[in-house]
Amino acid sequence: GQNIDQPTEMTATEGAIVQINCTYQTSGFNGLFWYQQHAGEAPTFLSYNVLDGLEEKGRFSSFLSRSKGYSYLLLKELQMKDSASYLCAVRSRWGKLQFGAGTQVVVTP
Amino acid sequence: GAGVSQSPSNKVTEKGKDVELRCDPISGHTALYWYRQSLGQGLEFLIYFQGNSAPDKSGLPSDRFSAERTGGSVSTLTIQRTQQEDSAVYLCASSLIENEQFFGPGTRLTVL
Repeated sequence: GQNIDQPTEMTATEGAIVQINCTYQTSGFNGLFWYQQHAGEAPTFLSYNVLDGLEEKGRFSSFLSRSKGYSYLLLKELQMKDSASYLCAVRSRWGKLQFGAGTQVVVTP
Repeated sequence: GAGVSQSPSNKVTEKGKDVELRCDPISGHTALYWYRQSLGQGLEFLIYFQGNSAPDKSGLPSDRFSAERTGGSVSTLTIQRTQQEDSAVYLCASSLIENEQFFGPGTRLTVL
């Protein structure tokens, strides 16, 4: 079966750092994606990991451990506009994405 | 525009009617995906196209749902005899193989 778990909600203050964890158990693995989704909008691509390790992209970093079925998205220097839902998704061999339920990040002043 | 487009943006229909949702992928993207997102829920995979063929239809919830793609471009998702539980946002995405998927703005379907 397929199972992707991430926390439902996280709250942090502006300027802080937040780490969103994602654990997965899937029948096939061909990469892990993080997407950002603001309310009422389509998801937008943030990061992609297919090999173990850390990928850094400006204020956002993503980490993957395939042996542990674990990833995290790190958001640094939080801004109010970062308030959104963050979706962890695992890509199968055929390319379809299996999404977690999303983590709602609330940034407070 | 250069992005994925979908139409209509909103659709309100009566229970039992058929609806067609359209997706125009990014030019040159060979892969096309349909997902749906119910209120407060994660994205649920429906179907995947590579060119005009659909190697993975595993997510279609019932035989009332069907999709086609023509000319390796535009795709339509058809829901027959709509039910209230079909109400959701239907999202289309396209990609080059092995690359990230780009999502369209979605069609919000409401079945009364």
